[in-house]
Amino acid sequence: AQSVTQLGSHVSVSEGALVLLRCNYSSSVPPYLFWYVQYPNQGLQLLLKYTTGATLVKGINGFEAEFKKSETSFHLTKPSAHMSDAAEYFCAVSGSGGSNYKLTFGKGTLLTVNP
Amino acid sequence: NAGVTQTPKFQVLKTGQSMTLQCAQDMNHEYMSWYRQDPGMGLRLIHYSVGAGITDQGEVPNGYNVSRSTTEDFPLRLLSAAPSQTSVYFCASSYLGQGEVNLHFGNGTRLTVT
Repeated sequence: AQSVTQLGSHVSVSEGALVLLRCNYSSSVPPYLFWYVQYPNQGLQLLLKYTTGATLVKGINGFEAEFKKSETSFHLTKPSAHMSDAAEYFCAVSGSGGSNYKLTFGKGTLLTVNP
Repeated sequence: NAGVTQTPKFQVLKTGQSMTLQCAQDMNHEYMSWYRQDPGMGLRLIHYSVGAGITDQGEVPNGYNVSRSTTEDFPLRLLSAAPSQTSVYFCASSYLGQGEVNLHFGNGTRLTVT
């Protein structure tokens, strides 16, 4: 079965600093990988996803993530944090075989951005 | 374009009561699903559907029923609410094509069972 581990339930950075949110996954087959963002009292929005091809994936709001198969990782980065980036971030992995629509989510990382 | 619409936004139930959480999407997505979100637990899949007339269980299906009579609607039923079902519930939908998976989420229903 697929699983996702997000290291750090809470990450705090200063405005303008590098954002690094860690995600490791386990999957029996090459997965699809996703990062979603959730703002307070809202649903989740897709930031970026990896399916096939280029391992460095660029998303919205200046975020990017790199798929590293050897490390089973899909860490999310942004060079310079903005106050508006404060939110909860979820990494997700797709199901295997014909059920790649079934996403398994990590427990989330709350990002705080300090002025 | 409304996307995924969930009603109600908030609900308080007493133990043993029943209710239906509504979910509708206007994107003609084949796939629809229900997740529950609990603090420190992330999102866990309750039930899902890959098309009208087809439903299946996810990770935490006990205490919940679903049906899918149309492409647009995917209601979630709680037959006899329990305090353990206090949670935020999200409906999500997606196309099913290879590489097209991208869950679109509603804004959630916050349920409290007393």
